[in-house]
Amino acid sequence: AQKITQTQPGMFVQEKEAVTLDCTYDTSDQSYGLFWYKQPSSGEMIFLIYQGSYDEQNATEGRYSLNFQKARKSANLVISASQLGDSAMYFCAMRETGNSGYSTLTFGKGTMLLVSP
Amino acid sequence: DAGVIQSPRHEVTEMGQEVTLRCKPISGHDYLFWYRQTMMRGLELLIYFNNNVPIDDSGMPEDRFSAKMPNASFSTLKIQPSEPRDSAVYFCASTPGRGNTEAFFGQGTRLTVV
Repeated sequence: AQKITQTQPGMFVQEKEAVTLDCTYDTSDQSYGLFWYKQPSSGEMIFLIYQGSYDEQNATEGRYSLNFQKARKSANLVISASQLGDSAMYFCAMRETGNSGYSTLTFGKGTMLLVSP
Repeated sequence: DAGVIQSPRHEVTEMGQEVTLRCKPISGHDYLFWYRQTMMRGLELLIYFNNNVPIDDSGMPEDRFSAKMPNASFSTLKIQPSEPRDSAVYFCASTPGRGNTEAFFGQGTRLTVV
């Protein structure tokens, strides 16, 4: 089973509108972390936002917020007031420790977001 | 700190040749991850190290792939012999400790095997 599932291969949004990118995850750990990264066409991986499994409040970073629904195991990224520069690939990722005691970091397949004027 | 440094940024090689990709993690980071990115498979975790020790190499696709971390400031990913299907972008990332902290990525190495 996939650890991280991003069901939207591509999304379109108009400038200044909000958009939600979906992410569901699968883990049996009680303590884990969820991340979103942005990868523009230049290729670098840019960290956007982090949500800990014990955090009761949804994480926010500027125009980015993470809609964390623990019981549903979802961690959707919400981008408010989209900008042309938001056009990129977005990856959801999970950090978990598991029985080994060591921590791994797994990524979803990504969602390509295109923002139109 | 200059961040995670990977070299080379681009590599073009002929099928059958040995390829070595290099990574310098951020000083003080305990974990180092190697990923391969392709259009078809996305970001695949190949192997990761904790305190220079390989922890899980189950993502390494074949015996042609090997990785080492001789010290805390250097890791290599070697492909021998290389094949056209190895063409991809290879990322190295490091994180500080076991906690749920973000991974810092290098710029990646774009490998083309012809």
